[in-house]
Amino acid sequence: GDSVTQTEGQVALSEEDFLTIHCNYSASGYPALFWYVQYPGEGPQFLFRASRDKEKGSSRGFEATYDKGTTSFHLRKASVQESDSAVYYCALGDLTGANTGKLTFGHGTILRVHP
Amino acid sequence: EAAVTQSPRNKVTVTGGNVTLSCRQTNSHNYMYWYRQDTGHGLRLIHYSYGAGNLQIGDVPDGYKATRTTQEDFFLLLELASPSQTSLYFCASREGLASAETLYFGSGTRLTVL
Repeated sequence: GDSVTQTEGQVALSEEDFLTIHCNYSASGYPALFWYVQYPGEGPQFLFRASRDKEKGSSRGFEATYDKGTTSFHLRKASVQESDSAVYYCALGDLTGANTGKLTFGHGTILRVHP
Repeated sequence: EAAVTQSPRNKVTVTGGNVTLSCRQTNSHNYMYWYRQDTGHGLRLIHYSYGAGNLQIGDVPDGYKATRTTQEDFFLLLELASPSQTSLYFCASREGLASAETLYFGSGTRLTVL
């Protein structure tokens, strides 16, 4: 079945550091790819999406580019702030075939940014 | 902004107990989902539905039933709760299937099975 792998379980950075969280996927079809962010005590919330190869999604200084060749959708931010501390989830949406409507999430990456 | 409301916020039950978690969304979205969130596993899909009376099986359905009674309401039922079902449960809704559609999550229900 479809799956999402986030390489980093936890990331600790200082303010103004560069952030990369790696996300690779496996899917039989041509999925849409998403990043969600979850702050303490809240449900996950949508950050941005990309639906086709080479498309870049972005929001709040975060960005990721859909790469069908390497099956990746890595999250990057040039300069993190303490307020970015949260759990980040990569996800894929199956829009075709038997699993239509289903959204599959990775295990999440805890980001801690120190002042 | 879509609103998804879950109740109760916290629930404690005993092994073998009967539990119902409730979810209501107010934007008439077609799709609704139940996920559980556990450390080391992230978010795992239990059941989902694309309309009243419809139910689709997710990735970790064992021990759970679900029912979509109306467009707005989606319930998760644990008829014989076990400690392994201690978790944080999230409900979510989504308007349709297009790749631009976003999932909107509730604030979660923390369930403890003693």
